[in-house]
Amino acid sequence: AQKITQTQPGMFVQEKEAVTLDCTYDTSDPSYGLFWYKQPSSGEMIFLIYQGSYDQQNATEGRYSLNFQKARKSANLVISASQLGDSAMYFCAMYGSARQLTFGSGTQLTVLP
Amino acid sequence: GAGVSQSPSNKVTEKGKDVELRCDPISGHTALYWYRQSLGQGLEFLIYFQGNSAPDKSGLPSDRFSAERTGGSVSTLTIQRTQQEDSAVYLCASSLSSGGRTGELFFGEGSRLTVL
Repeated sequence: AQKITQTQPGMFVQEKEAVTLDCTYDTSDPSYGLFWYKQPSSGEMIFLIYQGSYDQQNATEGRYSLNFQKARKSANLVISASQLGDSAMYFCAMYGSARQLTFGSGTQLTVLP
Repeated sequence: GAGVSQSPSNKVTEKGKDVELRCDPISGHTALYWYRQSLGQGLEFLIYFQGNSAPDKSGLPSDRFSAERTGGSVSTLTIQRTQQEDSAVYLCASSLSSGGRTGELFFGEGSRLTVL
């Protein structure tokens, strides 16, 4: 069974500062993928970043980077230079042998002006 | 359009009625998923279709829930005898069966169901 844990129900960050959203996972699959999605108040799910379990380097996509620590089973999302438009719910998710994305409970990020 | 299309976007129904929610995936995507998101919660997996294989129904919460996918494309999620706890946003997603980011799902905008 797969499990994703996001322990921060809410986070605040000052505009232009960096913020780290925590995600830990549990799986017995030898190969898996880790994702972060953003869900603004409009409700759409927006793909942000992907990390494969065998990728040697941490994934980066613009201002988003994924701090992947395989031994610790963590996949934290780092957002640099936060913008007001980054205020949203953020979900960590994992894809494995079950062929479905298992989502965490999410972190509500609020960027303060 | 090029994205996942869901209808209706909003549905209000009375307890005990049946509802049907429709999903039109991205053309060429062989995998289709239904998720449920209750207010302020994460996404709960409901059902997964992959090509012509038998669907993975392991997430359906009760036998009042069913889904079908016709011709490997459009899917319909049916909820019979709706209950108030069925109120949620129902999200459909599709994906390629393989690719550089295996498992990346493309989501529709959801169908918000309210059961009175």
